Amino acid sequence: KNEVEQSPQNLTAQEGEFITINCSYSVGISALHWLQQHPGGGIVSLFMLSSGKKKHGRLIATINIQEKHSSLHITASHPRDSAVYICAVSIYGGSQGNLIFGKGTKLSVKP
Amino acid sequence: EPEVTQTPSHQVTQMGQEVILRCVPISNHLYFYWYRQILGQKVEFLVSFYNNEISEKSEIFDDQFSVERPDGSNFTLKIRSTKLEDSAMYFCASQTAIYEQYFGPGTRLTVT
Repeated sequence: KNEVEQSPQNLTAQEGEFITINCSYSVGISALHWLQQHPGGGIVSLFMLSSGKKKHGRLIATINIQEKHSSLHITASHPRDSAVYICAVSIYGGSQGNLIFGKGTKLSVKP
Repeated sequence: EPEVTQTPSHQVTQMGQEVILRCVPISNHLYFYWYRQILGQKVEFLVSFYNNEISEKSEIFDDQFSVERPDGSNFTLKIRSTKLEDSAMYFCASQTAIYEQYFGPGTRLTVT
């Protein structure tokens, strides 16, 4: 059973497009993370949130705790945004680092 | 900007051999983690470490695995007797109490 589901699995966009990646989870959580994995394999943490909305540059992350759903938005997408975006959750009552990861959304932004 | 470092970047070993993967977390961080990602699969949690002891571990983290923080800076993952299925990318991460985790660049382990 997949406790963290992401959609879509793959996404191709034209440069400048607004992009949305969705994450649904089925467990109680203390926090939700959005991560970016580069083609070389390195992982960068984009956001950690437990409620509401966070914004960093062209990236926006939202979470709806009642609906157990989060979205990652990228405004004015650029080819350098091409990467795998991973949603991960910390289970409520577990250690912060005991993350359950989604399978990731592979984003390709064409110039 | 501070960063988590990992060595080696790629380790090739024969089945049954012991390997030690090394990580240097960010100096003022308190929580340390190891994750692995088998090629083409999702990232999986292995173990969390706080206050010089394991705070949580997954089912993957069996008796073949151990972690140490031997000198207050390095954080190591040892696999005692490697199996083919241990081949994966291993990521170390560190964290302060309430902020995002910082991930290292990973060590690719290949068991032949």
